Amino acid sequence: NAGVTQTPKFRVLKTGQSMTLLCAQDMNHEYMYWYRQDPGMGLRLIHYSVGEGTTAKGEVPDGYNVSRLKKQNFLLGLESAAPSQTSVYFCASSSGIRGLDQPQHFGDGTRLSIL
Amino acid sequence: SQQGEEDPQALSIQEGENATMNCSYKTSINNLQWYRQNSGRGLVHLILIRSNEREKHSGRLRVTLDTSKKSSSLLITASRAADTASYFCATDDLGGATNKLIFGTGTLLAVQP
Repeated sequence: NAGVTQTPKFRVLKTGQSMTLLCAQDMNHEYMYWYRQDPGMGLRLIHYSVGEGTTAKGEVPDGYNVSRLKKQNFLLGLESAAPSQTSVYFCASSSGIRGLDQPQHFGDGTRLSIL
Repeated sequence: SQQGEEDPQALSIQEGENATMNCSYKTSINNLQWYRQNSGRGLVHLILIRSNEREKHSGRLRVTLDTSKKSSSLLITASRAADTASYFCATDDLGGATNKLIFGTGTLLAVQP
């Protein structure tokens, strides 16, 4: 039972490059989330999904796109990477009403550096 | 915007002592959750307490919730070196437009052996 798996674990990009972060969950959860974690700022929600084929913007969506083509996968794309996107990215999944009355299960993160 | 704010930002104690962390929030909530994050890892859920509950226990963890003061506390009893981690509270965005938890900035707990 893997839970939430994120790939890759580390990545270094040059400004302007693009990449996709993959999140996979094996708990049949409806809700999936992408967060970024920066020092002193806690976790901030980038985008989220309430089910297969749906996505919605979170608190800091600019510069990112997401897709949820399959229930178990949630992809986060950086179209043109900028140094301000250097961060640790976490994916999470949850069940329950609006995904807020049950625990969220987190992956171990992707550490992304933009040079 | 940050909803939950933990206090203190950092806490250092000796093994065997109790550790208390506090969380304050701004708006009405349905529930409040506490998470632990070990260095280099993802967050792990500890406890969820609903707005109609005042206290909840799980092993060495005790969480209280005071909705009138918009605050919660996490008590870890008989701490161990393995409890060294960052601890975050998270609240649901009741009345907000998005399905999201709002996380605080965390308390960094160091338990000295």
